[in-house]
Amino acid sequence: DAGVIQSPRHEVTEMGQEVTLRCKPISGHNSLFWYRQTMMRGLELLIYFNNNVPIDDSGMPEDRFSAKMPNASFSTLKIQPSEPRDSAVYFCASSLYLAGGSTDTQYFGPGTRLTVL
Amino acid sequence: AQSVTQPDIHITVSEGASLELRCNYSYGATPYLFWYVQSPGQGLQLLLKYFSGDTLVQGIKGFEAEFKRSQSSFNLRKPSVHWSDAAEYFCAVGPRGTDKLIFGTGTRLQVFP
Repeated sequence: DAGVIQSPRHEVTEMGQEVTLRCKPISGHNSLFWYRQTMMRGLELLIYFNNNVPIDDSGMPEDRFSAKMPNASFSTLKIQPSEPRDSAVYFCASSLYLAGGSTDTQYFGPGTRLTVL
Repeated sequence: AQSVTQPDIHITVSEGASLELRCNYSYGATPYLFWYVQSPGQGLQLLLKYFSGDTLVQGIKGFEAEFKRSQSSFNLRKPSVHWSDAAEYFCAVGPRGTDKLIFGTGTRLQVFP
């Protein structure tokens, strides 16, 4: 079974440009998470979805960031306009959230390394 | 508030030596507990997890972890480290009733031959 798929793996863009990161979760998983990892701040949860519905977006840094999950097999994280401080590795993860409120293992994608010049 | 502390930012060991990475959590009840490993340029991979039952949990790559409720700890151990174990290790807590995970800041492991 394929794991979590992210694209692109690397993205270099100029300040002010729009950036779209993509994620395909593991088939059958119903929760999807977007994380950002930097040296300074470590691993931060940006937003997560359950059954395609955003549950918690309190980690989204500002209005320049937006995320969508139009269906169970696809999600996007968009930054518009991008800034140099957005440079980081962005990870997508998915899991199966079980009835009764039990969390389960999150499976991570390989990440997208974003560089904003 | 829930939190996870990994007090060691960087650990260096010799190949073949034993290893213990510390993890302490703050949570009102027994959470779900995880250890993940991240090799350079890679995503995070699950090493092991604790949900309930036996407090000594076996994972992949010869790792194990022990949940100690009285100490709010979930330390990761390996009896003999291999050079390929060099990576960053993250402890995470999953509060019950949510599917969020709270990650520690990570411990970078360096292995000398």
